[in-house]
Amino acid sequence: QQPVQSPQAVILREGEDAVINCSSSKALYSVHWYRQKHGEAPVFLMILLKGGEQKGHDKISASFNEKKQQSSLYLTASQLSYSGTYFCGTLGSGSARQLTFGSGTQLTVLP
Amino acid sequence: EPEVTQTPSHQVTQMGQEVILRCVPISNHLYFYWYRQILGQKVEFLVSFYNNEISEKSEIFDDQFSVERPDGSNFTLKIRSTKLEDSAMYFCASSVRDGPTEAFFGQGTRLTVV
Repeated sequence: QQPVQSPQAVILREGEDAVINCSSSKALYSVHWYRQKHGEAPVFLMILLKGGEQKGHDKISASFNEKKQQSSLYLTASQLSYSGTYFCGTLGSGSARQLTFGSGTQLTVLP
Repeated sequence: EPEVTQTPSHQVTQMGQEVILRCVPISNHLYFYWYRQILGQKVEFLVSFYNNEISEKSEIFDDQFSVERPDGSNFTLKIRSTKLEDSAMYFCASSVRDGPTEAFFGQGTRLTVV
């Protein structure tokens, strides 16, 4: 069962912040975030493993609340290069180890 | 920087024809995957492959699909009899290990079935 992402689309100005949410109805082992630019392959951003874990690099960070089965991606002071579609991928805690992606959030950063 | 390479970048085929999509994963990676992305939609898992056998497959990966690692470097996806709804971008990915680790994606093969 695929994770649910919200919002579906975000438009913001350079320098503004954005939050993308990812939630699952099943127990999660990990959450993976990828960004895909139009016509290109998804590019790995980060993995979150533990309940309550937070990670980040540069001005993109994420949190993972294992109990709520939710993850959020935070984009701070967004840059034009942040534009793209963000996918969260989830790995269940059961025997199935396939990464299941959400439907994506299209982020557009305007100058 | 090592990368996953896919060929061809675009393939047009007639309905009912067989196609083979090719991938060269990163050399020290052990786990290989195929994903599909229909235009404008999410990335969907097809199959994972490890130690020369399928480790997991999705409902999409029916009998029309097969994967093979014919030699030490190539990883192929074969669609036996293509249907119009097989038109999509097909991504190959590889990772060092299973589970929660970074997967490196290739640039994709755009398959158009006419």
